[in-house]
Amino acid sequence: DIVMTQSPDSLAVSLGERATINCKSSQSILYSPNNKNYLAWYQQKPGQPPKLLFYWASTRESGVPDRFSGSGSGTDFTLTINSLQAEDVAVYYCQQYFSTPQVTFGPGTKVEIK
Amino acid sequence: EVQLAESGGDLVQPGGSLRLSCSASGFTFSNYAMYWVRQGPGKGLEYVSGISTHGGSTYYADSVRGRFTISRDNSKNALYLEMSSLRTEDTAVYYCVKDRILFTSGWCYDHWGQGTPVTVSS
Repeated sequence: DIVMTQSPDSLAVSLGERATINCKSSQSILYSPNNKNYLAWYQQKPGQPPKLLFYWASTRESGVPDRFSGSGSGTDFTLTINSLQAEDVAVYYCQQYFSTPQVTFGPGTKVEIK
Repeated sequence: EVQLAESGGDLVQPGGSLRLSCSASGFTFSNYAMYWVRQGPGKGLEYVSGISTHGGSTYYADSVRGRFTISRDNSKNALYLEMSSLRTEDTAVYYCVKDRILFTSGWCYDHWGQGTPVTVSS
């Protein structure tokens, strides 16, 4: 199975500042024939189910604020939250869907307000 | 509006069985692959099982293969998970999840239910 790791485990950021979350896969999740990275990001707020933020590593899901951005390719990916808002407090997970059906999630990164 | 409503979660003894259900609305259920994903207490997300649009293909995580069975009834817009030989490590909130992509199994999840809790304990 492809192992997903995330860093940091948690971070505290001041309101209005930038939060950066890293996700690394144990092998490339870039499919060369279509040049797509099979990587999704989810946001899980306390007491709620996860919500899809990005797919194909950088395609923003409808309704997701543009202060969120996804980037990266191959094995290294980044979720960036520009100008952190109070409602962004959550745990963020990356997920690879390259190796199916054994899709795997990262362990999560908790974002808090400093 | 897409809605997914799970039910059936309960406290069950190790070795016991349970059937989870998910009622779907707000989309053409038969056009989408569906999945179960679980989250242990204070833990991360774990894929459990998936099923193709018309149920012809089913998939399982290694941790549940041979013990869990996924099925669907497109006439009722319903997804099911039959769980047997339950273990303490199966304790989790179980989410019913919809695929993002039409007609195929894309394995990327665009809508999640609120989840139903399963506790396996003596």
